[in-house]
Amino acid sequence: GQQLNQSPQSMFIQEGEDVSMNCTSSSIFNTWLWYKQDPGEGPVLLIALYKAGELTSNGRLTAQFGITRKDSFLNISASIPSDVGIYFCAGLLPYNTNAGKSTFGDGTTLTVKP
Amino acid sequence: ETGVTQSPTHLIKTRGQQVTLRCSSQSGHNTVSWYQQALGQGPQFIFQYYREEENGRGNFPPRFSGLQFPNYSSELNVNALELDDSALYLCASSSASGKSTDTQYFGPGTRLTVL
Repeated sequence: GQQLNQSPQSMFIQEGEDVSMNCTSSSIFNTWLWYKQDPGEGPVLLIALYKAGELTSNGRLTAQFGITRKDSFLNISASIPSDVGIYFCAGLLPYNTNAGKSTFGDGTTLTVKP
Repeated sequence: ETGVTQSPTHLIKTRGQQVTLRCSSQSGHNTVSWYQQALGQGPQFIFQYYREEENGRGNFPPRFSGLQFPNYSSELNVNALELDDSALYLCASSSASGKSTDTQYFGPGTRLTVL
């Protein structure tokens, strides 16, 4: 089936640093979604991207929909301790506008040292 | 507005047993999706229920089945449990219109351990 490859698998950074992570696939996706999962919780949507080349921000978070439609990246600026968690990308294949049938990557685990 | 809730929080079963997990969708949502999240992996789509009928299924065997009730709450049933079924089971609710859905909201999950 379709696979989303996230990198890096994990990151250890100092508070205040910027973070960049990405998601790639061999398949074209219509929509890219970025989620954050805290321990003991379900994923929470951070940013949704619907068009190739789209750049969208949510506070200190910025995400882009790759022009080839096969990749996306998420940047976090000036990280803080509460940014700790697992970040997942998810995608919707062409002709699928049903977010409830998303394909997820395996996540990037972020640790922020105060 | 009540969010998505799931019960139980944790569950321990033995191989071969059957299990039922429950999900109450967020107020105003008519669609529930179920995901399996193995340790260290992302959620994998099991199936979705819309208007009490299955509306799409991922790559899971028939021993994974579900129900949706008139109040849009949902159950996930797994028969003949296997060790590999140990995982966090997440449900997510959303509001569907035709083939499209809005943002899905996840519950906290049920941690199933199969011994």
